[in-house]
Amino acid sequence: GENVEQHPSTLSVQEGDSAVIKCTYSDSASNYFPWYKQELGKGPQLIIDIRSNVGEKKDQRIAVTLNKTAKHFSLHITETQPEDSAVYFCAASRNGNQFYFGTGTSLTVIP
Amino acid sequence: DAGVTQSPTHLIKTRGQHVTLRCSPISGHKSVSWYQQVLGQGPQFIFQYYEKEERGRGNFPDRFSARQFPNYSSELNVNALLLGDSALYLCASSPHDNEQFFGPGTRLTVL
Repeated sequence: GENVEQHPSTLSVQEGDSAVIKCTYSDSASNYFPWYKQELGKGPQLIIDIRSNVGEKKDQRIAVTLNKTAKHFSLHITETQPEDSAVYFCAASRNGNQFYFGTGTSLTVIP
Repeated sequence: DAGVTQSPTHLIKTRGQHVTLRCSPISGHKSVSWYQQVLGQGPQFIFQYYEKEERGRGNFPDRFSARQFPNYSSELNVNALLLGDSALYLCASSPHDNEQFFGPGTRLTVL
């Protein structure tokens, strides 16, 4: 089955700085890569996703890049704000149904 | 629009008991997936149902079962509860393959 690894497990940045979270996957047939933000006591919230036919996607301060050859993808958050503090999860899917999640990155934005 | 709803919010059971968790998907979504999230880890796939048919099953014992009703709501059942079943159980609904929208989860504690 698919194996998704995520780094770092914790990340602290100053407000206004950028944050980068990286994930690798093992199944070359995976073709959908969503990113979720999970706040304390809540379910994961989809923040951005990318499909395997695209190398980069951007939505305001958030961007995701995908390198299919190397089987890794990254989340970039620019101009971080305190409300960006949360746990972020990457995931990979080959059939659009069963998602394999990374172990999460706890992001703290220091005001 | 109402998001994915789950009930109950919290639940405390003792070892050996049985539990039923419920999920109502977003209106118009015909697919429901269940995930188990142990504290400090990413969600792990349990089941997916589409149009009342099981479409996928993760690596969980037969003590776990689920079903989907004609109105697309779903139940997750766990028999003979173990301490290790303590987790946040997440339900996600999908309008089609790929995008999954998560509910707030049910926090199950097994004593």
